[in-house]
Amino acid sequence: DAGITQSPRYKITETGRQVTLMCHQTWSHSYMFWYRQDLGHGLRLIYYSAAADITDKGEVPDGYVVSRSKTENFPLTLESATRSQTSVYFCASSEPGTFSGANVLTFGAGSRLTVL
Amino acid sequence: GDSVTQMEGPVTLSEEAFLTINCTYTATGYPSLFWYVQYPGEGLQLLLKATKADDKGSNKGFEATYRKETTSFHLEKGSVQVSDSAVYFCALSRFSGGYNKLIFGAGTRLAVHP
Repeated sequence: DAGITQSPRYKITETGRQVTLMCHQTWSHSYMFWYRQDLGHGLRLIYYSAAADITDKGEVPDGYVVSRSKTENFPLTLESATRSQTSVYFCASSEPGTFSGANVLTFGAGSRLTVL
Repeated sequence: GDSVTQMEGPVTLSEEAFLTINCTYTATGYPSLFWYVQYPGEGLQLLLKATKADDKGSNKGFEATYRKETTSFHLEKGSVQVSDSAVYFCALSRFSGGYNKLIFGAGTRLAVHP
């Protein structure tokens, strides 16, 4: 089935540990995104990728690393997790942007991360 | 910079009540406007969108009109159902750096009771 799969759905870790959240899409979308969702902030963009091997920072990139060796995968790594990174993380994908800004993002179900 | 402000929740309604969730935006130019909905335990999904002034987006009984004069995109539904209970996000999008950059509001939680 076409869609976006995120794993794990739930993760508890400790401060200082490395954590990787996985994202896999079957839409063949060129663009992929990572957002974090926090109460009162809506969704904030962490990183995005325009194609394999092309990534760029979003609004809140500090403490995160991404890679995109294959078009369909876009993992997000917290190299040394902190409590402030406790959040729900959403992966999304879309076609390339248009001047009208009308492209729709398709979201995964989210990964809830708790850092103790 | 661009921003989206939407009414704080939670909004609690009885079934068949009229719903309005206010959304205003700040942006230069002519962004596209969206409402996304997040049902419990799921990711966001598009509810409706409008790409230019005076456009009306509609879906599943929900409507919103792009009002440039008041920089607003209020979400309305004439008769809500329990199944509409969810978090609703207003967002604007503009083309920037090769992709459509989305700016989200903080979200409004809607709870509908029988």
